[in-house]
Amino acid sequence: NAGVTQTPKFQVLKTGQSMTLQCAQDMNHNSMYWYRQDPGMGLRLIYYSASEGTTDKGEVPNGYNVSRLNKREFSLRLESAAPSQTSVYFCASSQTGWRTGELFFGEGSRLTVL
Amino acid sequence: LAKTTQPISMDSYEGQEVNITCSHNNIATNDYITWYQQFPSQGPRFIIQGYKTKVTNEVASLFIPADRKSSTLSLPRVSLSDTAVYYCLVAALGSGYALNFGKGTSLLVTP
Repeated sequence: NAGVTQTPKFQVLKTGQSMTLQCAQDMNHNSMYWYRQDPGMGLRLIYYSASEGTTDKGEVPNGYNVSRLNKREFSLRLESAAPSQTSVYFCASSQTGWRTGELFFGEGSRLTVL
Repeated sequence: LAKTTQPISMDSYEGQEVNITCSHNNIATNDYITWYQQFPSQGPRFIIQGYKTKVTNEVASLFIPADRKSSTLSLPRVSLSDTAVYYCLVAALGSGYALNFGKGTSLLVTP
């Protein structure tokens, strides 16, 4: 039982390059989330998917796209990376229902855009 | 979605009890209060969750007054390993919601 798995763990990009961060969970959770974390800024929500087939913008969606490929997988794409997107990205998942609010996080993906 | 306010940072010595308060004045009837802990270079992890009064587990206690407009996370006898960022979240039951963490409270425990 791996929980939430993110790939890659580290990535360096040049400005203008594109890339996709992958996230998969094996807990049969309905909801999945992408956050970014910058020094002194806490965690900011980029996009979330309340259930398979739906996605919604969070606090900082500009410059990103997401795909909820199936119930297990939720990817985050940077079409044209910018230095401002240098950050640590966390994927999370949660089950809806009575235990709402308990998120399970991946280990994070550290992205540097030069 | 209920907005939360918590102190940016707190300091404590080892062995002391630490209380971190979170304000959530516009909490809704169906909202639960959840606290997370984050160590450097790791994702946050769930600590405790409650709806009203007091909840206790092996890690912490959560105190919620009758009006539910605030909550207090209590860490008994902290150690150096409790140095982390603590986040307060308020979320409702039902379908997945946008769960916003904010900046959290950075707790530093020193000898």
